[in-house]
Amino acid sequence: KQEVTQIPAALSVPEGENLVLNCSFTDSAIYNLQWFRQDPGKGLTSLLLIQSSQREQTSGRLNASLDKSSGRSTLYIAASQPGDSATYLCAVNYSGYALNFGKGTSLLVTP
Amino acid sequence: GAVVSQHPSRVICKSGTSVKIECRSLDFQATTMFWYRQFPKQSLMLMATSNEGSKATYEQGVEKDKFLINHASLTLSTLTVTSAHPEDSSFYICSARESGYTGELFFGEGSRLTVL
Repeated sequence: KQEVTQIPAALSVPEGENLVLNCSFTDSAIYNLQWFRQDPGKGLTSLLLIQSSQREQTSGRLNASLDKSSGRSTLYIAASQPGDSATYLCAVNYSGYALNFGKGTSLLVTP
Repeated sequence: GAVVSQHPSRVICKSGTSVKIECRSLDFQATTMFWYRQFPKQSLMLMATSNEGSKATYEQGVEKDKFLINHASLTLSTLTVTSAHPEDSSFYICSARESGYTGELFFGEGSRLTVL
């Protein structure tokens, strides 16, 4: 079964800290991996897309890495802000169609 | 990025009635759209793949007669929950890929269905 696991399930940090969210997947034969943000009761906002041939992608304070051989991806958030509080979802594209999602990491950044 | 619009965002209905949710790609054409369901504090579970001009492909355990999917154009897919029951109450989200197999996937804002 192609599973996606995210650790930790929840994280609380003070404003200004750098933090890392982890994602692991069981099958390394992926098309790409995508990180999303979900605010309570809302849809998903795409943050970063990493193709299978890429090692990392950056957007502003966000950096996502991909290591297919070990089945891992990390999302690094620099200088966290209260507005970063949300659930972060990792999703793997195995089939070229739909995504397999992890359960997410719920992030709280306190002022 | 591309925009996917979903409507309605919230709907409350009585048990036994049917509810239709629309998903539109606003600035691109999507031959394939996906419908997901999300329970509280759970991840998104794929329900079905909606193919323009053909029948939807349903995931194992999803009742195709209960969750009717129509993808009549390259920019519109609809999900109809028929004879809704309280256990159908959930958050339904649609998504579409802008191009090819490796394109970025964009999501609608989701629809919160509450069945009384």
